Amino acid sequence: GQSLEQPSEVTAVEGAIVQINCTYQTSGFYGLSWYQQHDGGAPTFLSYNGLDGLEETGRFSSFLSRSDSYGYLLLQELQMKDSASYFCAVDSSYKLIFGSGTRLLVRP
Amino acid sequence: KAGVTQTPRYLIKTRGQQVTLSCSPISGHRSVSWYQQTPGQGLQFLFEYFSETQRNKGNFPGRFSGRQFSNSRSEMNVSTLELGDSALYLCASSRDAPVGDTQYFGPGTRLTVL
Repeated sequence: GQSLEQPSEVTAVEGAIVQINCTYQTSGFYGLSWYQQHDGGAPTFLSYNGLDGLEETGRFSSFLSRSDSYGYLLLQELQMKDSASYFCAVDSSYKLIFGSGTRLLVRP
Repeated sequence: KAGVTQTPRYLIKTRGQQVTLSCSPISGHRSVSWYQQTPGQGLQFLFEYFSETQRNKGNFPGRFSGRQFSNSRSEMNVSTLELGDSALYLCASSRDAPVGDTQYFGPGTRLTVL
């Protein structure tokens, strides 16, 4: 089968750094994506890792290790507006398989 | 450039009815994917279309179907609605293929089945 695991909830303080982990088990793996979704909104793309290593985009970084079937999203200098749900998603044969999402709550 | 649009935004139906949802992708995008989002099951892949051809399908019953037109606009249909079909239905478009390409999501259609 195909499955992704990520923590259901994470709480952090404004200005801090938080890491959201994602482990996956799937066939036909092409890469790992991360999406952000605010309550009532649509998912928006954050980052994609097709190869092992770190990708950096502003305050957000994402990491992938294919050998460990593991990735993470790192959010730095947290802001209140970062409070949202974060989904990892595996690219697999013309479809995205999403994890159940991690709800991030940023406290002042 | 206009984003992905979905119509209608909200829909209320009763059990046994059928429903058709529409999605217009970003101009130039040829791949359209559909997802069902529920609090219990998260985001689940329904199907993906590219150049009017369905390339992949998720694990949903045959009551869920879709199609894509020559202008890349897509529709999905759910027949014989059940209470469990209440969900947010999202479509996403990408330039060529969903693998490795950024998917841009529409605002979704909130379907309530009574």
